[in-house]
Amino acid sequence: NAGVTQTPKFRILKIGQSMTLQCTQDMNHNYMYWYRQDPGMGLKLIYYSVGAGITDKGEVPNGYNVSRSTTEDFPLRLELAAPSQTSVYFCASRDVRAEQFFGPGTRLTVL
Amino acid sequence: AQTVTQSQPEMSVQEAETVTLSCTYDTSENNYYLFWYKQPPSRQMILVIRQEAYKQQNATENRFSVNFQKAAKSFSLKISDSQLGDTAMYFCAFTRGNTPLVFGKGTRLSVIA
Repeated sequence: NAGVTQTPKFRILKIGQSMTLQCTQDMNHNYMYWYRQDPGMGLKLIYYSVGAGITDKGEVPNGYNVSRSTTEDFPLRLELAAPSQTSVYFCASRDVRAEQFFGPGTRLTVL
Repeated sequence: AQTVTQSQPEMSVQEAETVTLSCTYDTSENNYYLFWYKQPPSRQMILVIRQEAYKQQNATENRFSVNFQKAAKSFSLKISDSQLGDTAMYFCAFTRGNTPLVFGKGTRLSVIA
């Protein structure tokens, strides 16, 4: 049982490039989330999903897109990367007891 | 909208001593869940403790316990017998259950040998 996995662990992008952050969970959770954490700050919700085919915006969705075609996968797409998107990105899934399980994070730098 | 406030940006404690981290929240809901998460330098988010609002008994996990005061909307974390490995950022979080977690800004705890 791997829990929540994220790839890549690190990435450097140039301004204007695009990329997809991958997230997979093997716990059959319906709820999944994407957060960003800026240095010295708490976590801010980007997007979330309550099940396959259903996604919704969080607090800071601008510049990002998501899809949820399967229960297991919840990729986050960055289009036209900007320096303001330099951050650590966490994916999480939630069980029936409302406990969230987090992936190890992806550190993204946009130069 | 729900908000979570952690009023102590940084704290320090001597090894083997006890420390309490504060958290207050604002909600009009009666049923909800509260959590404390630990984030060590590795950045991994680790669940420390979980409290269901309808349970009056304070949650306990080994050296970690909470003081849940529902009427005061307060949810403090007590760490007993502090260890060097407890050095981390600690985040308080709230959810109604079917909504995303709302996090506080965190408290950076340093355990000093």
